[in-house]
Amino acid sequence: KAGVTQTPRYLIKTRGQQVTLSCSPISGHRSVSWYQQTPGQGLQFLFEYFSETQRNKGNFPGRFSGRQFSNSRSEMNVSTLELGDSALYLCASSPAGGNEKLFFGSGTQLSVL
Amino acid sequence: QKEVEQNSGPLSVPEGAIASLNCTYSDRGSQSFFWYRQYSGKSPELIMSIYSNGDKEDGRFTAQLNKASQYVSLLIRDSQPSDSATYLCAPSSGGSYIPTFGRGTSLIVHP
Repeated sequence: KAGVTQTPRYLIKTRGQQVTLSCSPISGHRSVSWYQQTPGQGLQFLFEYFSETQRNKGNFPGRFSGRQFSNSRSEMNVSTLELGDSALYLCASSPAGGNEKLFFGSGTQLSVL
Repeated sequence: QKEVEQNSGPLSVPEGAIASLNCTYSDRGSQSFFWYRQYSGKSPELIMSIYSNGDKEDGRFTAQLNKASQYVSLLIRDSQPSDSATYLCAPSSGGSYIPTFGRGTSLIVHP
């Protein structure tokens, strides 16, 4: 069974640009959540999608958005990039969310110059 | 604001010793507790989950939970160099069940 796939693996952007990250969950998993990881703040929750609906949202500005498609694949978008957005963005999937084990993808390392 | 506190370390232990990793959390509504291991440059992977007070053992790993003290710990017996990683504590609340991650404790097991 294939794991969680995130693309691209690395991304370099400049301030003011926007970026879209992609996540394909494990087959059969319907919950997809996104996290931002930085050395200073650790792993911080962005949002969670289940059956194409955003079910939970973390404390991030509206520049961070996401969506989920009918096949459970998810995308995350960051508009008007800032230097502080440089981070590792991790996607995790689980069968239905809730008190379940999260399976993480390898992440997308975003650098904003 | 839900807070999860972990000593950042590094915690250095000799091979074969017991490594003890500690975590305190602020949300009294937390019902589930997870420990993830993250190797350098890799993504987190779940190694233990615990839901009720007491101890839970799985191989060389033992998770301990004390909800009254809002404290959870992870013991690694017979530590191996391959255990060298960052260990993330992640309690989740009973509402959204979204885990809140601590910043992690770096463990170094030296031969």
